[in-house]
Amino acid sequence: AQSVAQPEDQVNVAEGNPLTVKCTYSVSGNPYLFWYVQYPNRGLQFLLKYITGDNLVKGSYGFEAEFNKSQTSFHLKKPSALVSDSALYFCAVRALNQAGTALIFGKGTTLSVSS
Amino acid sequence: NAGVTQTPKFQVLKTGQSMTLQCAQDMNHEYMSWYRQDPGMGLRLIHYSVGAGITDQGEVPNGYNVSRSTTEDFPLRLLSAAPSQTSVYFCASRDMNTEAFFGQGTRLTVV
Repeated sequence: AQSVAQPEDQVNVAEGNPLTVKCTYSVSGNPYLFWYVQYPNRGLQFLLKYITGDNLVKGSYGFEAEFNKSQTSFHLKKPSALVSDSALYFCAVRALNQAGTALIFGKGTTLSVSS
Repeated sequence: NAGVTQTPKFQVLKTGQSMTLQCAQDMNHEYMSWYRQDPGMGLRLIHYSVGAGITDQGEVPNGYNVSRSTTEDFPLRLLSAAPSQTSVYFCASRDMNTEAFFGQGTRLTVV
């Protein structure tokens, strides 16, 4: 069975500081990993994805994520946080070799960036 | 390009009433899914479909029915609404190797 864990319900950072939102996953075979962001009363917006290749993936709004196969992790990072980055972030996974399966999401992490 | 369109955006139901949440996509995606979002629970998969005529259950299917008669549409039916179904519902679609695209959600309250 596929699963995603986001161990922190909330992450607080000061504007200008680097941020990390953690994600670990469990899947049979190779993973297909995603990060999404949700602003209040909105739908989910895609940030970035990892399929294969370089372990550091760059996405929208200056975000990047690092895939670590041995630790089964896919942490979201940004070198310098903005107040406007404050939102709810979701990590998601599906098995790469199971195209017919739906994405499984973590419980989400609320990022709060203070000025 | 509209993407994924969900209707209605808001709905209040009385316990025992039935309704259908509509979802339509114009990207010719084969894969479509329904999720519910509850505080502290993240997004939980209700039902999904890998193409017209093919559906399967997700993590929390009880109380919900789906059908997929066309590629474009994937309605979610609540046959007898219960307060436990108060939630925000999201529909998503994707192609085989793309990310999922989400609708704006339907906020459902069952009283």
